[in-house]
Amino acid sequence: GQNIDQPTEMTATEGAIVQINCTYQTSGFNGLFWYQQHAGEAPTFLSYNVLDGLEEKGRFSSFLSRSKGYSYLLLKELQMKDSASYLCALRDSNYQLIWGAGTKLIIKP
Amino acid sequence: IAGITQAPTSQILAAGRRMTLRCTQDMRHNAMYWYRQDLGLGLRLIHYSNTAGTTGKGEVPDGYSVSRANTDDFPLTLASAVPSQTSVYFCASSEAGGATDTQYFGPGTRLTVL
Repeated sequence: GQNIDQPTEMTATEGAIVQINCTYQTSGFNGLFWYQQHAGEAPTFLSYNVLDGLEEKGRFSSFLSRSKGYSYLLLKELQMKDSASYLCALRDSNYQLIWGAGTKLIIKP
Repeated sequence: IAGITQAPTSQILAAGRRMTLRCTQDMRHNAMYWYRQDLGLGLRLIHYSNTAGTTGKGEVPDGYSVSRANTDDFPLTLASAVPSQTSVYFCASSEAGGATDTQYFGPGTRLTVL
């Protein structure tokens, strides 16, 4: 079977750095996605990892370790607009996305 | 502006009624998807279509049907709505076959079945 775990909620301070973890178990792996979803809005694509290592995109970075079934999203220089839910999604052997329940990130001034 | 549109934005429906949620994309993407999103749960795939003329069942297909007559449109029909189908429904599309095959989402339809 397949399973994705991420923390339900995290709180961080404006200007700080936060790491959102995602662990997964799967029989087939074809990449891992991170999406951002503001309340009442659609998910929007942030990053994609298929090989081990770190992918950096401005203030956001995503890391993958396939052997450990682990990924994280790193957000630097946090801004109030980063308050949102962050969704981890695994692309399985059928090339369908299996989604985690999301991590709600609260940014405090 | 290119993207995905969904209609209606929200709807309150009596149980037992038939309802079609509309989804249109203008990105010429091959693949389209319907998800439902419920509090505390991840997005769950209802049905998908890899290309016009073909459809497939996702994780939670019961009570829903889809059609894909052309590239742009992918309507989702609830034949006889039940309260457990109260949810936010997102349509998505992807190029399919691309390196990342990123899915892009429409704004969603909030459906309440009473």
